[in-house]
Amino acid sequence: ETGVTQTPRHLVMGMTNKKSLKCEQHLGHNAMYWYKQSAKKPLELMFVYSLEERVENNSVPSRFSPECPNSSHLFLHLHTLQPEDSALYLCASSQDPGSPLHFGNGTRLTVT
Amino acid sequence: QKEVEQNSGPLSVPEGAIASLNCTYSDRGSQSFFWYRQYSGKSPELIMFIYSNGDKEDGRFTAQLNKASQYVSLLIRDSQPSDSATYLCAVNNLTGGGNKLTFGTGTQLKVEL
Repeated sequence: ETGVTQTPRHLVMGMTNKKSLKCEQHLGHNAMYWYKQSAKKPLELMFVYSLEERVENNSVPSRFSPECPNSSHLFLHLHTLQPEDSALYLCASSQDPGSPLHFGNGTRLTVT
Repeated sequence: QKEVEQNSGPLSVPEGAIASLNCTYSDRGSQSFFWYRQYSGKSPELIMFIYSNGDKEDGRFTAQLNKASQYVSLLIRDSQPSDSATYLCAVNNLTGGGNKLTFGTGTQLKVEL
């Protein structure tokens, strides 16, 4: 068990669909993150939540909408995505911002 | 200029040899440095972190940091085929209380029998 669980593992959606990615951490950490990993590109930080408050939003398009209802759960709501949004979406947690990250297994998203 | 730069590789080393992975960064205010290993189709996992200049050893792994040269490296001794993966360097600047963790594109390591 990784300590950070993501569902679903794979997702195929059309550009007009609405879907959500879910992340749960069992490590007692205070910070949670969404990262995007595309081929040949560095991991891109999308959002950071610290103690359920969003502390970072790296100019992510509004078609991605995060939600952090408590310190253990993080969601990424998706709507009207584009094919270029196809990537591996990784959730991570850390004790606090700046501490080492613990990643979930990721959601492989394909937008058709 | 890339903020965190790594040679994409692949870096090929024979089994039992020392693998040397290098990373340079542009932000002089960077304070913490991480190495993650990522197997194909898997998520990154933390290998080492280092905050101070010098060497830090953990088993077969040694992280080296030189802030003056803005350079961080990872040495893997007695390389094994199971070490074959992509190694990601990440650098963080915590000034202002924010999280500015920036990743490189990674170096692919191949350990050959």
